[in-house]
Amino acid sequence: DQQVKQNSPSLSVQEGRISILNCDYTNSMFDYFLWYKKYPAEGPTFLISISSIKDKNEDGRFTVFLNKSAKHLSLHIVPSQPGDSAVYFCAASGYGGSQGNLIFGKGTKLSVKP
Amino acid sequence: EAQVTQNPRYLITVTGKKLTVTCSQNMNHEYMSWYRQDPGLGLRQIYYSMNVEVTDKGDVPEGYKVSRKEKRNFPLILESPSPNQTSLYFCASRIGTGGLYEQYFGPGTRLTVT
Repeated sequence: DQQVKQNSPSLSVQEGRISILNCDYTNSMFDYFLWYKKYPAEGPTFLISISSIKDKNEDGRFTVFLNKSAKHLSLHIVPSQPGDSAVYFCAASGYGGSQGNLIFGKGTKLSVKP
Repeated sequence: EAQVTQNPRYLITVTGKKLTVTCSQNMNHEYMSWYRQDPGLGLRQIYYSMNVEVTDKGDVPEGYKVSRKEKRNFPLILESPSPNQTSLYFCASRIGTGGLYEQYFGPGTRLTVT
């Protein structure tokens, strides 16, 4: 059973507009949530994270929002740029030991059109 | 430069011929992990290691072996590869076992088993 779900396989956005990528999770024991970005022929790279004790974390154009009651998080990219076109993976984990293993969603492919 | 390296980057082999994919990190990280990425399935963990001589199964360990004799190296071994192991493989490492730590990924190894 999928513990981390990204229900939109793809998203297309116009340059300069906002991109919103969504992620849902089922395990209430998750303490940390991370977003990774992946370009073709490269490994995933860390983008931004949020602890379960927060509801928002911002880093430049990227903001992650966490709604614990809904078990939902979202990544906002404002403004979107063509270089943001990539696959975005949502991931979640517990505190440590085997609970510290990252559980990934299936990814959302973002296309930002000029 | 801090990095995770994998070799080979591309490999085509035949069913049953043993192979090893090497992974090395130069960041003195305790935690290392292997993932496979398949279309529509996202990133799934194969094995992980929390320290030297400590390894454990991830979500999809069947058909794989690992070893962690040195902190920097974490090879993935396929004793008798089968076509269903055709996939894109990523090695990753992070400084500690906790989920709050950023995880660094290698560039990937594309394996084809015929």
